Amino acid sequence: GPKVLQIPSHQIIDMGQMVTLNCDPVSNHLYFYWYKQILGQQMEFLVNFYNGKVMEKSKLFKDQFSVERPDGSYFTLKIQPTALEDSAVYFCASSSGTGGYEQYFGPGTRLTVL
Amino acid sequence: AQKVTQTQTSISVMEKTTVTMDCVYETRDSSYFLFWYKQTASGEIVFLIRQDSYKKENATEGHYSLNFQKPKSSIGLIITATQIEDSAVYFCAMRASSSFSKLVFGQGTSLSVVP
Repeated sequence: GPKVLQIPSHQIIDMGQMVTLNCDPVSNHLYFYWYKQILGQQMEFLVNFYNGKVMEKSKLFKDQFSVERPDGSYFTLKIQPTALEDSAVYFCASSSGTGGYEQYFGPGTRLTVL
Repeated sequence: AQKVTQTQTSISVMEKTTVTMDCVYETRDSSYFLFWYKQTASGEIVFLIRQDSYKKENATEGHYSLNFQKPKSSIGLIITATQIEDSAVYFCAMRASSSFSKLVFGQGTSLSVVP
């Protein structure tokens, strides 16, 4: 199926530092998402992004979080500053915006905040 | 608010048998979409199948099929002729038409297929 790429696969940083998670969505997709999964739990929606704008975000998408996709490059999630509770696996997803809007997920970035 | 519930934490079945995984959902929307994904041991999340709420026919995709019971707000996943490589965590998810496109996930069911 369609492939979403995420870089890096694992990131370890100290609390208070800034981190940027990168996502390369499926080439013709228009809608982009970030989800957070704490070990052993379900995935939880953070934010979706379309046409250069945040369309919807959850309570988990704190003020320290931001997303952008400058000039069709990577779709990024930036956390500044990071907190211990930000440790999780972050999944990027994209969808074409047709049909049921099924989303295709990347392999995830495991973020460890020390 | 939408909610998705999977009460089966884990299931173990013999290879080549059929397994059903349960999922119930809550939404006030009259139109919605239901999805099943699987998460492999490596963490990869794979889209399996989708059911549109306005369709009466159960969706099928390869050896995956759905048992959609709208009056019960239930969407079961049926896997026939299970294989060892079907071992994974299966997540049910919903997108309500009133939501721009966020998915609400259930807690997941861990499936083990043994020889």
